[in-house]
Amino acid sequence: AQSVTQLDSHVSVSEGTPVLLRCNYSSSYSPSLFWYVQHPNKGLQLLLKYTSAATLVKGINGFEAEFKKSETSFHLTKPSAHMSDAAEYFCVVSGDTSYDKVIFGPGTSLSVIP
Amino acid sequence: GAVVSQHPSWVICKSGTSVKIECRSLDFQATTMFWYRQFPKQSLMLMATSNEGSKATYEQGVEKDKFLINHASLTLSTLTVTSAHPEDSSFYICSAKAPEQGSPYEQYFGPGTRLTVT
Repeated sequence: AQSVTQLDSHVSVSEGTPVLLRCNYSSSYSPSLFWYVQHPNKGLQLLLKYTSAATLVKGINGFEAEFKKSETSFHLTKPSAHMSDAAEYFCVVSGDTSYDKVIFGPGTSLSVIP
Repeated sequence: GAVVSQHPSWVICKSGTSVKIECRSLDFQATTMFWYRQFPKQSLMLMATSNEGSKATYEQGVEKDKFLINHASLTLSTLTVTSAHPEDSSFYICSAKAPEQGSPYEQYFGPGTRLTVT
């Protein structure tokens, strides 16, 4: 069975400082991993995805994530936070068939202090 | 490409009435669609999986007679909340999977529908 843990329910950073949102997963086979962002009362936007290619994945808006199989982690980072980054972030794991479900992490709320 | 739309974006209905939410894949054929609900400040919870032309598979605890899902074509799935009650008020999000669209493991999400039952 697959599962996703997001270690921090809330993260607060100052504008211009680095962002680290942590994600650990559990999967019995090679997973695909995603990070989505959701702004208040909005739908989901894909930030980046890992699908067994390069372990360091670059996404939109300066975000990137590194897949570490030995640590079963897929942490999301950004060198410098912007006010517009304040939102809810979800780490998601999916299986390796077309009809597999995706499993959402509980989410991390990111606040950016001016 | 790979755009999913939902209609309506928000709806208010009276308790006891039924509400239908549409989910459309605009530029691809979606062999599988998923319906989620999201309560305030919570994560998305999968309600059901529907494959075109077959019955939906509901997650444990989701009442299939209350949340009717129809996936009649490769571009349209509908969720009908029957005899809605205030506790059904939530944000409903659909997603679609299509192996020919980029990664076969990626889902494309609609913008969501805010349902408020008074």
